[in-house]
Amino acid sequence: DAGVIQSPRHEVTEMGQEVTLRCKLISGHNSLFWYRQTMMRGLELLIYFNNNVPIDDSGMPEDRFSAKMPNASFSTLKIQPSEPRDSAVYFCASIFFLAGEGDTQYFGPGTRLTVL
Amino acid sequence: EDQVTQSPEALRLQEGESSSLNCSYTVSGLRGLFWYRQDPGKGPEFLFTLYSAGEEKEKERLKATLTKKESFLHITAPKPEDSATYLCAVPQGAQKLVFGQGTRLTINP
Repeated sequence: DAGVIQSPRHEVTEMGQEVTLRCKLISGHNSLFWYRQTMMRGLELLIYFNNNVPIDDSGMPEDRFSAKMPNASFSTLKIQPSEPRDSAVYFCASIFFLAGEGDTQYFGPGTRLTVL
Repeated sequence: EDQVTQSPEALRLQEGESSSLNCSYTVSGLRGLFWYRQDPGKGPEFLFTLYSAGEEKEKERLKATLTKKESFLHITAPKPEDSATYLCAVPQGAQKLVFGQGTRLTINP
């Protein structure tokens, strides 16, 4: 079975440019999580969705960050404009969530973003 | 505020030298504790979930245990391929996970 798919795997851009990261959920999963990982702050949750609806975006650092789920299997994380401090590895993870139950999150391979 | 603290930050062992990694947490009403393994350049890979104090789970050379305040990941006779960063996490609310900073384990041949 295909796991969580992320693209691109690596992105190098210049400050001020728009960056779009993409994620495809595991087939049958209905919840998606976007994380950012840095040496200083570790793995931080940015936002998560249930059934395409954003549930908690309290981890989104600024208005420059936005995330969408245009359909049940796909999500994008956009940074506009990008800044050097946005450089990090961005992961998405998915689960099949039933109300009232927690479950194991399965992570994608990540996108390493470098903003010059 | 829920917190997860892992120790040590880094650990170097010789092949075959057993040891333990620690994950301590402060969270009200624990509803599970997760262990993940992360290799360089890859996403975290699920290892175990523990739900109640006294519970133990094993996978190859790894055994995870849980008390009311902490969890241990015991590594018995490790091999170089066990080298990775090990992360623990606890649920916050229904679905969010709070992760520790991880323990970077290196097994020398």
